[in-house]
Amino acid sequence: GAGVSQSPSNKVTEKGKDVELRCDPISGHTALYWYRQRLGQGLEFLIYFQGNSAPDKSGLPSDRFSAERTGESVSTLTIQRTQQEDSAVYLCASTMVPNYGYTFGSGTRLTVV
Amino acid sequence: AQSVAQPEDQVNVAEGNPLTVKCTYSVSGNPYLFWYVQYPNRGLQFLLKYITGDNLVKGSYGFEAEFNKSQTSFHLKKPSALVSDSALYFCAVRDKGGNNRLAFGKGNQVVVIP
Repeated sequence: GAGVSQSPSNKVTEKGKDVELRCDPISGHTALYWYRQRLGQGLEFLIYFQGNSAPDKSGLPSDRFSAERTGESVSTLTIQRTQQEDSAVYLCASTMVPNYGYTFGSGTRLTVV
Repeated sequence: AQSVAQPEDQVNVAEGNPLTVKCTYSVSGNPYLFWYVQYPNRGLQFLLKYITGDNLVKGSYGFEAEFNKSQTSFHLKKPSALVSDSALYFCAVRDKGGNNRLAFGKGNQVVVIP
């Protein structure tokens, strides 16, 4: 597609429920990143995919967080047993070559109540 | 590991005045440097980057940034600010020789006063 697409744009969930966030990168972009942006804070790196593999997942905050990528395309970030501190905007970015500028999606705003 | 410091939380500037948003970085090798802008309820938009070559980089919307290796800085500048430049600005760095992670600063809120 023309840009990075993320869905849903907004998600409100109850504490303890699982959520799945989706990212459709730009076609042909082999590198895909997930970041988290909490209110009033900077971007926190979560995980990086090169193709379908994740050489760097050191930013995932706990084992409740996981992500996968298939077909060198769509990626899904899953948060199990959501907690209130998981409330944030989750941003996905893709790039063809890491030294180029990343293209970001508009994000998914997750609210855990 | 690479890191970025954006020392000011908010930058206030009168419309028509020069705008500067400061950024210093830390990497173990040579850096790739980026500036992004975020408007309310929107994703990040790429402004400009320094990869190699001329230390003065020109980007979108009249912005430019100067790479200063001795001061490890990459300050963002615009000669004449517009009200529409009011947004959140992020500086980011990646280590050329390191992993592919892009490290972001905490962001600076720019407020352009009419």
